[in-house]
Amino acid sequence: DQQVKQNSPSLSVQEGRISILNCDYTNSMFDYFLWYKKYPAEGPTFLISISSIKDKNEDGRFTVFLNKSAKHLSLHIVPSQPGDSAVYFCAASRGNTGKLIFGQGTTLQVKP
Amino acid sequence: GAVVSQHPSRVICKSGTSVKIECRSLDFQATTMFWYRQFPKQSLMLMATSNEGSKATYEQGVEKDKFLINHASLTLSTLTVTSAHPEDSSFYICSARGLAGFSYEQYFGPGTRLTVT
Repeated sequence: DQQVKQNSPSLSVQEGRISILNCDYTNSMFDYFLWYKKYPAEGPTFLISISSIKDKNEDGRFTVFLNKSAKHLSLHIVPSQPGDSAVYFCAASRGNTGKLIFGQGTTLQVKP
Repeated sequence: GAVVSQHPSRVICKSGTSVKIECRSLDFQATTMFWYRQFPKQSLMLMATSNEGSKATYEQGVEKDKFLINHASLTLSTLTVTSAHPEDSSFYICSARGLAGFSYEQYFGPGTRLTVT
């Protein structure tokens, strides 16, 4: 039972353009959502998060949008840079347990 | 951000032996540590939650007698894979949460690649 889904395994964009990574979830009890960036053979690095009481959170080039009615969130990266090339995971949490349920990941490639 | 280390980064062991993986929070005290496993091209799957000084809580389907977790101090948790088999070969990652932590204040280690031959 995949409660957090990233249906696009890969995404390729041109440097300077916008990257949009999508994530869907099924459990309406999730109240906190996070995006992580991961390189091969390394641990995930926290990027940005959003509480379920908000619909948008912005941090520099990264913006996360949450649509609770659709159970959908997205990560926008503007402008995309070659150094952004990595695997991006969305994760969801319920309450303050700290337990994270991860999606399958989307591999982003930003071409110079 | 806070730093979490894991040791070893890679380990190869023979089937039937046990392997211990350490997870340390280097510059903060971690009341809670989490252990994840990632198979190739798959998501990170939570295995267990460990709180300092108490027994670990395992996720459904994870054998607690096979994956022994000890969280003896506020900066160290260990995962021991007992009687390892080739199907236990995976990338094991820990994360640590500080004393005043909400979900996002969770820092991941670099991971340990376990190969069982």
